[in-house]
Amino acid sequence: DTAVSQTPKYLVTQMGNDKSIKCEQNLGHDTMYWYKQDSKKFLKIMFSYNNKELIINETVPNRFSPKSPDKAHLNLHINSLELGDSAVYFCASSQNRETEAFFGQGTRLTVV
Amino acid sequence: GNSVTQMEGPVTLSEEAFLTINCTYTATGYPSLFWYVQYPGEGLQLLLKATKADDKGSNKGFEATYRKETTSFHLEKGSVQVSDSAVYFCALKTRGANNLFFGTGTRLTVIP
Repeated sequence: DTAVSQTPKYLVTQMGNDKSIKCEQNLGHDTMYWYKQDSKKFLKIMFSYNNKELIINETVPNRFSPKSPDKAHLNLHINSLELGDSAVYFCASSQNRETEAFFGQGTRLTVV
Repeated sequence: GNSVTQMEGPVTLSEEAFLTINCTYTATGYPSLFWYVQYPGEGLQLLLKATKADDKGSNKGFEATYRKETTSFHLEKGSVQVSDSAVYFCALKTRGANNLFFGTGTRLTVIP
């Protein structure tokens, strides 16, 4: 069983579209994250949720909106996609705010 | 603030060579330190960790020692294999923090 799973793995879409990426963890963890990895492999935190509550909301455009329907899920919705949004997006979870994170396989988003 | 400085890559080694990837950090408080590995086309996997000074993390022949006096957590392996080719990320998490701070990643290529 995959511990942290995100779908889709690949997403190609046109500028201006709205898209969602789903993430689920079956580890019983309290904390979930979204990270963005750019073309140079640099990883940057976007959002962090603890027990369904938003803890971190780094400086990302408000076109990005996370949604946590329950502790096991943290979805990422993106409105009005732009070329610069092209990246790999990783979902992750951790037991709590202080322990190591487990990552999903990533979603490669390409905006054309 | 919190930050991680990692040895620039890429690093190319012959099989069975000795590997060192340098990592130094700046942190408020006493962080936990991690090395993650990203194989081509995959997500990040936790390679090893250390949660307090002088701890040594080890896994799959890789080692790193938490050195508080030099604020370092260098990754070493005595004899690399072709299958070790990947991008390696040093990261830290401080008590009460809500996310991992990553270094920029070091790409390792091992040639036969």
